[in-house]
Amino acid sequence: DAKTTQPNSMESNEEEPVHLPCNHSTISGTDYIHWYRQLPSQGPEYVIHGLTSNVNNRMASLAIAEDRKSSTLILHRATLRDAAVYYCILITSGAGSYQLTFGKGTKLSVIP
Amino acid sequence: DAGITQSPRHKVTETGTPVTLRCHQTENHRYMYWYRQDPGHGLRLIHYSYGVKDTDKGEVSDGYSVSRSKTEDFLLTLESATSSQTSVYFCAISDGGTGAYEQYFGPGTRLTVT
Repeated sequence: DAKTTQPNSMESNEEEPVHLPCNHSTISGTDYIHWYRQLPSQGPEYVIHGLTSNVNNRMASLAIAEDRKSSTLILHRATLRDAAVYYCILITSGAGSYQLTFGKGTKLSVIP
Repeated sequence: DAGITQSPRHKVTETGTPVTLRCHQTENHRYMYWYRQDPGHGLRLIHYSYGVKDTDKGEVSDGYSVSRSKTEDFLLTLESATSSQTSVYFCAISDGGTGAYEQYFGPGTRLTVT
């Protein structure tokens, strides 16, 4: 899978929007962009994914650049529960299965 | 939340004993995965299944075996536990095997081999 680059850490105030960036300049045309997060002592949690168009779900929004070389995960109103490590991953859309490989991710701290 | 449970949630066992971890899903998803997560190594795939009795190896399969006799259950067996298998084990499920599908994780099993 192609590599992604994320900031090591970010801070946000509670109830403010958060924009988590991810660079993936070597993305191929068939790579899906996935975001997962992991709260302390919990299992990884799916957040959102997309291919080319921006995506919205109940948890977040995913904004994908027109050239697909970067994307941004948007949490519209950060809560204390959103404090976690966020992972941006590229998944090749081939046949068969795929495995998730987490890099270092971005540690998000939410300040009350 | 996806219906995924893992049992046991915590286990302490001795070196050389067999151990079986169970993953149970109520989502009728075709794919099931076993990962281990260790500090400094991130998440690593052990085995996965793409249907009943259809399984394949992942990145770190040595010392582990799996079985899937029903859609809802995926078992991970450590034939003879070693201290290097002390880890947190996560089960995951997905409805498909390509990047178009997301994976949902269970709560994890913390295994300690003494």
